[in-house]
Amino acid sequence: TQLLEQSPQFLSIQEGENLTVYCNSSSVFSSLQWYRQEPGEGPVLLVTVVTGGEVKKLKRLTFQFGDARKDSSLHITAAQTGDTGLYLCAALPIDSNYQLIWGAGTKLIIKP
Amino acid sequence: EAQVTQNPRYLITVTGKKLTVTCSQNMNHEYMSWYRQDPGLGLRQIYYSMNVEVTDKGDVPEGYKVSRKEKRNFPLILESPSPNQTSLYFCASSTPLGTINTQYFGPGTRLTVL
Repeated sequence: TQLLEQSPQFLSIQEGENLTVYCNSSSVFSSLQWYRQEPGEGPVLLVTVVTGGEVKKLKRLTFQFGDARKDSSLHITAAQTGDTGLYLCAALPIDSNYQLIWGAGTKLIIKP
Repeated sequence: EAQVTQNPRYLITVTGKKLTVTCSQNMNHEYMSWYRQDPGLGLRQIYYSMNVEVTDKGDVPEGYKVSRKEKRNFPLILESPSPNQTSLYFCASSTPLGTINTQYFGPGTRLTVL
């Protein structure tokens, strides 16, 4: 069974601080995605990374795909209250085009 | 507006009473799927469909049925709901999964089975 482990499960920090969330596996993936989910809504795609070592930036959010395509990180600089939400990673196994593997999520709370 | 709609958004029912949660997308996507989300477990796939009349089991299909008679609709059927099916359910659609694609999620259906 392929697993995606996210850490930490829960993070509560003050506005303005930096943070990093991790998504790890022992399996190799063809791509990995990060989604953000707000209360009462479905997940919304933030980014897709495909190449080992790839780094993508979305304003204050920086996403990195591990060199071996087994793990990823999400770094937020100067967090804002609007960043509050559940962050989910999802990965596509190299031997499948039909099912994404999902992490359990990191619940992030940014306090004013 | 491109969207995935689900109905109902909230449902409280009793054990054994058959129910259907509807899902519809207006993006002409081939791929649709159903997930349930439970605290600490993340999203678990129930069923998916790669196109009309083509469905397959996900990771947790027991107690659920689906059908895909039209491209835009993918209803989830609980023939005899039980309390362990109390959960938050999401429908999603996308172009066929590949290295680069986006899954679009509905707003969710919160189901409580008493």
